[in-house]
Amino acid sequence: DGGITQSPKYLFRKEGQNVTLSCEQNLNHDAMYWYRQDPGQGLRLIYYSQIVNDFQKGDIAEGYSVSREKKESFPLTVTSAQKNPTAFYLCASSSSAEETQYFGPGTRLLVL
Amino acid sequence: RKEVEQDPGPFNVPEGATVAFNCTYSNSASQSFFWYRQDCRKEPKLLMSVYSSGNEDGRFTAQLNRASQYISLLIRDSKLSDSATYLCVATNSGGSNYKLTFGKGTLLTVNP
Repeated sequence: DGGITQSPKYLFRKEGQNVTLSCEQNLNHDAMYWYRQDPGQGLRLIYYSQIVNDFQKGDIAEGYSVSREKKESFPLTVTSAQKNPTAFYLCASSSSAEETQYFGPGTRLLVL
Repeated sequence: RKEVEQDPGPFNVPEGATVAFNCTYSNSASQSFFWYRQDCRKEPKLLMSVYSSGNEDGRFTAQLNRASQYISLLIRDSKLSDSATYLCVATNSGGSNYKLTFGKGTLLTVNP
């Protein structure tokens, strides 16, 4: 099946800990995105990548880091600098031929 | 002014009702528009793109008015399965840079 997978479904972070969220797609899409969704809020863009080995900051990049070493993968690290990390994290991808973005099932991050 | 604003809702309607959602966008350079549907604790899924000429997909009709920077979604003959949050989305695309701006969403509950 073609699609976007995210893991884990739930993730717990301790104070001062960095955690990494996985995002993989087999749609052969060039662009990938990370969003954060808080209750009652719209999705906010954290980072995006249009091609391998290149990525740009979105609207709320502080406290996060990404890499894009492979076309299929775009992991997001939530660092200890992110003081309010509890949220629903969504990864998306799109092809260069269209603007529609397709989302993975998301990861819920909770702070212990 | 928020970039994409939607009716705050929530909307509670009986089965079979017709319901309309409205959305305005502030960026006159926005090129493309979409409606996404998001079920509780799930990822957003594309419902339909919105074209200048208006478009219909079964019971769903989307309209775009560029002069007024206004987008609408009409759902006819509502089903229980239509219960979800509906997200209005505008692109800020320029060149190959596709960034989506999401509204906060409008919650629809269809009652038996």
